[in-house]
Amino acid sequence: GDSVTQTEGLVTVTEGLPVKLNCTYQTTYLTIAFFWYVQYLNEAPQVLLRSSTDNKRTEHQGFHATLHKSSSSFHLQKSSAQLSDSALYYCALSDCMGYKLTFGTGTSLLVDP
Amino acid sequence: ETAVFQTPNYHVTQVGNEVSFNCKQTLGHDTMYWYKQDSKKLLKIMFSYNNKQLIVNETVPRRFSPQSSDKAHLNLRIKSVEPEDSAVYLCASSQTGGEGQDTQYFGPGTRLLVL
Repeated sequence: GDSVTQTEGLVTVTEGLPVKLNCTYQTTYLTIAFFWYVQYLNEAPQVLLRSSTDNKRTEHQGFHATLHKSSSSFHLQKSSAQLSDSALYYCALSDCMGYKLTFGTGTSLLVDP
Repeated sequence: ETAVFQTPNYHVTQVGNEVSFNCKQTLGHDTMYWYKQDSKKLLKIMFSYNNKQLIVNETVPRRFSPQSSDKAHLNLRIKSVEPEDSAVYLCASSQTGGEGQDTQYFGPGTRLLVL
């Protein structure tokens, strides 16, 4: 079955510095979509980024990620972290029919002033 | 702006009781989902429905049963709750088919506490 690995449970970064959240995956499907969802405290997860194109950079709200099928990765990056970025971030992949998302274990991002 | 609505927000019950959660989406999507988010924030699919048809049924205890009356509604019933059912249950919807149309939109969740 599909699996998504997020190696960091907690990432702490100082405001204004760059941040990178790691995501790797395993899947048997060739055509699927990848997502980053963000969940703020006591709120619903919301989509941050989506990609299904190899080696294409996707950007939204200052965050960016590039799908690299050669390394099975979809890392999330931001050049300058903001206090408001503190949240729980999930990497996920969608099966070929789009009928379910497989989530990683989530990475909590804490941005310090 | 919320487009996936869930009720109740929070529910406390005793072991062995039956509970029901409701979900409604106003996005016009054809597929709806139930996910469970446990105390460690692990998020796992339970069920997905496409046009009122059950499509995905992960390894979920039989006491859980989804119910769909139309494309916009998907409810979840739990017969005889157990302590391990304490979690946040998240409903989501999406429009399947077509590039970029597989993004799922989540409701605010129903937090269940089983005493």
